Amino acid sequence: DAGITQSPRYKITETGRQVTLMCHQTWSHSYMFWYRQDLGHGLRLIYYSAAADITDKGEVPDGYVVSRSKTENFPLTLESATRSQTSVYFCASSLAGAGDEQFFGPGTRLTVL
Amino acid sequence: DAKTTQPTSMDCAEGRAANLPCNHSTISGNEYVYWYRQIHSQGPQYIIHGLKNNETNEMASLIITEDRKSSTLILPHATLRDTAVYYCIVRVAGNTPLVFGKGTRLSVIA
Repeated sequence: DAGITQSPRYKITETGRQVTLMCHQTWSHSYMFWYRQDLGHGLRLIYYSAAADITDKGEVPDGYVVSRSKTENFPLTLESATRSQTSVYFCASSLAGAGDEQFFGPGTRLTVL
Repeated sequence: DAKTTQPTSMDCAEGRAANLPCNHSTISGNEYVYWYRQIHSQGPQYIIHGLKNNETNEMASLIITEDRKSSTLILPHATLRDTAVYYCIVRVAGNTPLVFGKGTRLSVIA
C-alpha cells in the first residue's frame, strides 16, 4: 500500500542494546522527519532530512543516529538504548515546496528496560 | 519557546460547531498558521493552514484576525471522531520542521 509506514510498531529492548526503527514512504517525498512523543513534552524533533544524504539535527538528537541513503527510507538508530529513550516515535514526510503538509506514520512504541 | 497559546481542553456537543482558539501575538509577516490534530495513539494529521486570509477545506475553516495575532479553527459539525488533541503551529512555509506545543484536547460529547 502507498503511504508512510513504520516498523516495528512495538519494540521492547534492554538498556545498552542497539535498536533501529524503520521508516518507509512511497511518495518520493524529499523531506523526512523523526519526532518523539513523551507524556508532558509533546512531540519533539529528533532529526530531519531534506534529501538523500542530507540530514540535520533537531531539538533532541543526542543518542540517535540517522542515515538517508535512499529517498524512501529514513532509519533511526539508538546506538546504546537508555531508559530515557522509552517513547513513541513518529516518522513524517513532506513534498518539497509549497503545500508542505507533513504526513505522519502510525508510530513505533519503544520500551527500554 | 512556544509561539502559540491554546486552551488546555474544550468540550463540544456532537453536531455543533467546535471553535478552537489560538493566540500567536508574536507572529512574523512570513509565518503561516498551521493546524494539526492527533487522535489517540495515531500520528498527527494535517488539517489546514493560512497566512492572512480565511481558509476552508473539507475538514475545517480557519479564521485569522486582521492583525494576525490570533486565529480560530472551526469544525462546522463536530462528530465523536473529531475527539483529539489539536495543535496550532506558527512557522515559515517551506518544509521547516514542526514545533508542537501542548495543544487543545477537544472532547466531542454525544
